[in-house]
Amino acid sequence: KAGVTQTPRYLIKTRGQQVTLSCSPISGHRSVSWYQQTPGQGLQFLFEYFSETQRNKGNFPGRFSGRQFSNSRSEMNVSTLELGDSALYLCASSSPPSGTVGKFSEQFFGPGTRLTVL
Amino acid sequence: AQSVSQHNHHVILSEAASLELGCNYSYGGTVNLFWYVQYPGQHLQLLLKYFSGDPLVKGIKGFEAEFIKSKFSFNLRKPSVQWSDTAEYFCAVNPYSGNTPLVFGKGTRLSVIA
Repeated sequence: KAGVTQTPRYLIKTRGQQVTLSCSPISGHRSVSWYQQTPGQGLQFLFEYFSETQRNKGNFPGRFSGRQFSNSRSEMNVSTLELGDSALYLCASSSPPSGTVGKFSEQFFGPGTRLTVL
Repeated sequence: AQSVSQHNHHVILSEAASLELGCNYSYGGTVNLFWYVQYPGQHLQLLLKYFSGDPLVKGIKGFEAEFIKSKFSFNLRKPSVQWSDTAEYFCAVNPYSGNTPLVFGKGTRLSVIA
């Protein structure tokens, strides 16, 4: 089974620009979660999509948005980039959504997209 | 809001030393617990997980973790570390309350020296 794939792997943008990151989950997985990873802050939850619906949203400004398509692929968009948005953006997929009562399926992570904002 | 605390930011050990990384969480209800590892330049991958049952959980590469409900802790252990265990380790908690995401600790960087 192919793993979670993320494109592009590296991006360099300048302040004020916008960026779109893409994530393809493991085949059959319907839940996709996005995280921002920065040194010292660990992984901070951005949002989760399940069956094209946003189930959860983390504490990030409205400049961060996402969506999920009918084939479970997901995109996240960051508008009006700031220097502080430089980070590794990770996507994870799982079969059921997070917090499923009785059992939580492991989240499988992609390699991430390294975003640098200059 | 739920939170996860990892007490050590950076741990340096010699090969063959024993390892224990602390993890405490703040949620009072039933939880799923995880330890993930991120080797240099690699994907985040699952080391072990706890859903229910035996509170001593064994994972890959000789790692184990013990869930102590009364202490809200899920510490990671390995009796004898190797140079190849050099990585960043993340504890994560997911409450059983339905619509809640996975919450990660800030990570512990482990450096194993020969």
